[in-house]
Amino acid sequence: AQTVTQSQPEMSVQEAETVTLSCTYDTSESDYYLFWYKQPPSRQMILVIRQEAYKQQNATENRFSVNFQKAAKSFSLKISDSQLGDAAMYFCALLPKGTYKYIFGTGTRLKVLA
Amino acid sequence: DTGVSQDPRHKITKRGQNVTFRCDPISEHNRLYWYRQTLGQGPEFLTYFQNEAQLEKSRLLSDRFSAERPKGSFSTLEIQRTEQGDSAMYLCASSLWAVGTDTQYFGPGTRLTVL
Repeated sequence: AQTVTQSQPEMSVQEAETVTLSCTYDTSESDYYLFWYKQPPSRQMILVIRQEAYKQQNATENRFSVNFQKAAKSFSLKISDSQLGDAAMYFCALLPKGTYKYIFGTGTRLKVLA
Repeated sequence: DTGVSQDPRHKITKRGQNVTFRCDPISEHNRLYWYRQTLGQGPEFLTYFQNEAQLEKSRLLSDRFSAERPKGSFSTLEIQRTEQGDSAMYLCASSLWAVGTDTQYFGPGTRLTVL
């Protein structure tokens, strides 16, 4: 079975500080994609960042970066210079290559304190 | 690119009634997905279409649920004889399937409340 685990139900960060959200996953596939999605309150889920498993280089998108440890099956999201608009639920998702069903974690609610 | 849209955004209904939701994907996308999200959980896959063909239905999708995608454009999800356990957010997503990539883009969802 393929699973995604987000062990932090809630995190807080001071504005302008850095925060790291954890995600671990389990799959027997060797090639897959990993995603972080952001879901603001009452708004749609937005893609934050995507990582391809065969690429060793960690993906980055402006203030968002990941630490992808394939052997450890870990995929954490680092948000630098946190802004009030970063407050949201963050979901980690796994997509084995050649399939179409995302497997989502249970999410981490991020609060940004002014 | 106007994004994925869903209608209605909110639906309140009484137990036993039928409801229908609509999803309009990003125009050039050939794949369309339905997910269900309950409070405190991540989205769970319900079904997906490639063009107009429905290629998989999750066992979460009971016989009371039916989805269509006529002409490979918009999709509808109908729930017959709603039950209180059907209360959830119903998310639609679309993607442009191509070799090596299948990033899904989500709509804002339809929040269903069954009284």
